Amino acid sequence: AQSVAQPEDQVNVAEGNPLTVKCTYSVSGNPYLFWYVQYPNRGLQFLLKYITGDNLVKGSYGFEAEFNKSQTSFHLKKPSALVSDSALYFCAVRDTGRRALTFGSGTRLQVQP
Amino acid sequence: DAGVIQSPRHEVTEMGQEVTLRCKPISGHDYLFWYRQTMMRGLELLIYFNNNVPIDDSGMPEDRFSAKMPNASFSTLKIQPSEPRDSAVYFCASSLGGQGAGSPLHFGNGTRLTVT
Repeated sequence: AQSVAQPEDQVNVAEGNPLTVKCTYSVSGNPYLFWYVQYPNRGLQFLLKYITGDNLVKGSYGFEAEFNKSQTSFHLKKPSALVSDSALYFCAVRDTGRRALTFGSGTRLQVQP
Repeated sequence: DAGVIQSPRHEVTEMGQEVTLRCKPISGHDYLFWYRQTMMRGLELLIYFNNNVPIDDSGMPEDRFSAKMPNASFSTLKIQPSEPRDSAVYFCASSLGGQGAGSPLHFGNGTRLTVT
């Protein structure tokens, strides 16, 4: 069975500082990893994905994520946070042979001006 | 380019009533997913379809829930009879199978269901 853990319910960061939102995963095969963002009263928006290749993947709005196979992690990062980045962030995993995504519990990012 | 369209955006109903949620996937997408979001349980997969055929309905909570996809451009999720514990935000998502396992899901804006 596949699973995702987001150990932090909330992350607080000052505007202009770097941010990290943590994610660890468990799959039986090769992992396909995704990050999504959700703004209030909206659906989830795709940010980026890791399939294979470079461990550092770049996505929308200046976000990037680092895949670490030995630590089974896929942390979301941004060099300089904006107040408008404040939202709910979800990590998700897809196991080989299955089309549906399994989502983590979500991390609320609060960027203070 | 229209995204995934869900209707209604909000639904308030009384316990025991039938509720029907609707979804129009992105044109050309061959996978369709129904998820439910609650504070307590987060995002749960209810069911998904491939080419209008249900593939995995193991997440459907009980027989009160049913989902159909009569054609490639329309799906419904029905709850009959509804109960207060069904109150949640229900999301529909679609994806393109031809992109392989890396294909992301594209979500609608959801239907907020309140059962009183």
